[in-house]
Amino acid sequence: DTAVSQTPKYLVTQMGNDKSIKCEQNLGHDTMYWYKQDSKKFLKIMFSYNNKELIINETVPNRFSPKSPDKAHLNLHINSLELGDSAVYFCASSQDTGNEQFFGPGTRLTVL
Amino acid sequence: GQSLEQPSEVTAVEGAIVQINCTYQTSGFYGLSWYQQHDGGAPTFLSYNALDGLEETGRFSSFLSRSDSYGYLLLQELQMKDSASYFCAVRGSSYQLIWGAGTKLIIKP
Repeated sequence: DTAVSQTPKYLVTQMGNDKSIKCEQNLGHDTMYWYKQDSKKFLKIMFSYNNKELIINETVPNRFSPKSPDKAHLNLHINSLELGDSAVYFCASSQDTGNEQFFGPGTRLTVL
Repeated sequence: GQSLEQPSEVTAVEGAIVQINCTYQTSGFYGLSWYQQHDGGAPTFLSYNALDGLEETGRFSSFLSRSDSYGYLLLQELQMKDSASYFCAVRGSSYQLIWGAGTKLIIKP
């Protein structure tokens, strides 16, 4: 029944490590997103894919690399993790232009 | 630049009505959305306005005035479970939502 799922839910790691977060949606949507939400709750769009094509690539360090193997999946790989990367990362999906976005449960990343 | 402004915190009493305002300044406008987020949870979609006027969905209503670059979310018959953060978001172009910083709604019994 899960619409948008992410794994893992929690991720604790050391500075300098490389980690990945996976996202899958079973809603049949054609657009997927990655957001970062910091401790002040501000939601920042990072990337968006439409039909596996990158359409939004905000000012994000190139240590972050998204990959969309198909329309239902959008993964986020982060190299050389830094303390400032600690945040909650949300995956979301929508149909077409994205007025209504469906969010995954989030991945709480803590970099030590 | 593009920005949305909404109050950082609003306090109301259970059973009352509360209005959360949102003003926006964006280069494009394709609609105003509202999302609710409980602590520890994910944002969930509440409503969307593309045209001027009031949209009602149960206890929640959302209003838009494009000429004033302004909208609000109205919550009636407040319940304790409505305690959450509420975000307004404007679709400034295809696919991209521009988000406000969120309004924390505190409800007192």
